[in-house]
Amino acid sequence: GAVVSQHPSRVICKSGTSVKIECRSLDFQATTMFWYRQFPKQSLMLMATSNEGSKATYEQGVEKDKFLINHASLTLSTLTVTSAHPEDSSFYICSVIRGNTEAFFGQGTRLTVV
Amino acid sequence: GESVGLHLPTLSVQEGDNSIINCAYSNSASDYFIWYKQESGKGPQFIIDIRSNMDKRQGQRVTVLLNKTVKHLSLQIAATQPGDSAVYFCAENIGNDMRFGAGTRLTVKP
Repeated sequence: GAVVSQHPSRVICKSGTSVKIECRSLDFQATTMFWYRQFPKQSLMLMATSNEGSKATYEQGVEKDKFLINHASLTLSTLTVTSAHPEDSSFYICSVIRGNTEAFFGQGTRLTVV
Repeated sequence: GESVGLHLPTLSVQEGDNSIINCAYSNSASDYFIWYKQESGKGPQFIIDIRSNMDKRQGQRVTVLLNKTVKHLSLQIAATQPGDSAVYFCAENIGNDMRFGAGTRLTVKP
């Protein structure tokens, strides 16, 4: 069965609204989760590393006020895209790593901002 | 909207032929490598992995080769099938950090 559950799989929102994406680790506690973004025909791009109980670490060029990450428990991390605009439309994927080696990915969320 | 950027390299093979997908990694300290398959609209799926103390590992219909001297990784798919059509990413793992390659789009022609 799935190790990581990501929800929703698809969301359409109006420009200016905020969207929350959830990532749950189902089989083990994850102190660290990762959020990626994928533009069409491009590779996954690491956006930020979500750390349980502390602030997320953002990659260069990723606006932390735009992409709010909350990792309030050992099994849940959320990514909120605030004041979404059409250029935020993308495929967002979370992942968790077990034992520093095995990586498990969520199903991904297709965000469309209209 | 769609971002302007590099297009993925593509590989087109005939059904039944073998496919070889290549990847160059960046950090000589990377000690673990993974190949992922991503079908359209889905998250990446694990295919096969290899640790840096090995140079070859075989799975079902897939083989991964690692050349640490030139920092090169390859994925070989035997008897490629239409269901193998997808984007394939390599990833290098350094501690708790994972970095993905650019990806290659594999198209299988019937």
